[in-house]
Amino acid sequence: DAGVTQSPTHLIKTRGQQVTLRCSPKSGHDTVSWYQQALGQGPQFIFQYYEEEERQRGNFPDRFSGHQFPNYSSELNVNALLLGDSALYLCASSFGGGTAYNEQFFGPGTRLTVL
Amino acid sequence: GNSVTQMEGPVTLSEEAFLTINCTYTATGYPSLFWYVQYPGEGLQLLLKATKADDKGSNKGFEATYRKETTSFHLEKGSVQVSDSAVYFCALSAPTAGKSTFGDGTTLTVKP
Repeated sequence: DAGVTQSPTHLIKTRGQQVTLRCSPKSGHDTVSWYQQALGQGPQFIFQYYEEEERQRGNFPDRFSGHQFPNYSSELNVNALLLGDSALYLCASSFGGGTAYNEQFFGPGTRLTVL
Repeated sequence: GNSVTQMEGPVTLSEEAFLTINCTYTATGYPSLFWYVQYPGEGLQLLLKATKADDKGSNKGFEATYRKETTSFHLEKGSVQVSDSAVYFCALSAPTAGKSTFGDGTTLTVKP
């Protein structure tokens, strides 16, 4: 079992550009959540996908969007990048939507640097 | 809204010392509580969890008890090792929210 995988590992972009990050959930999982972790801070919830729909969303602007595919993998898209978008982006997978009782498994993250 | 407050770090201990990392929370209803650990360059790993009041989560010598009366979930270990050096995050997940809320993390360094 490969666990949760994310690509790419690192990414460098300039302000105004657009970026797409990818996540494959752990085998058997159908729910994907995305988090932004700024340096020295805890992860902040961006949104969650279950059954190919966005089910929950945190306090992030519409520049942040996502998608879930029929095979449960997911993409996070960020448009019009700002310097403040520089962070580690974490993907977490679980089963059955929600995370209160179903353990989340985290991927290693994608380190995004915006210059 | 929901929030998690962790004791400010960093924390530096000698090997075999006793560890306590404080965590308090604010939430509506009855959330589940978690401790995650993050090693350098890696994602988060679930360390332990508790889903109802008075539950004790435990794993790898770490323990935490869900205290609803004090809204706390303090992490403890009786004897830390150098390999325990990492960043520890307290988190909660409310059954109706479908997401997790994290504290800012506490960096633990254990010296030989």
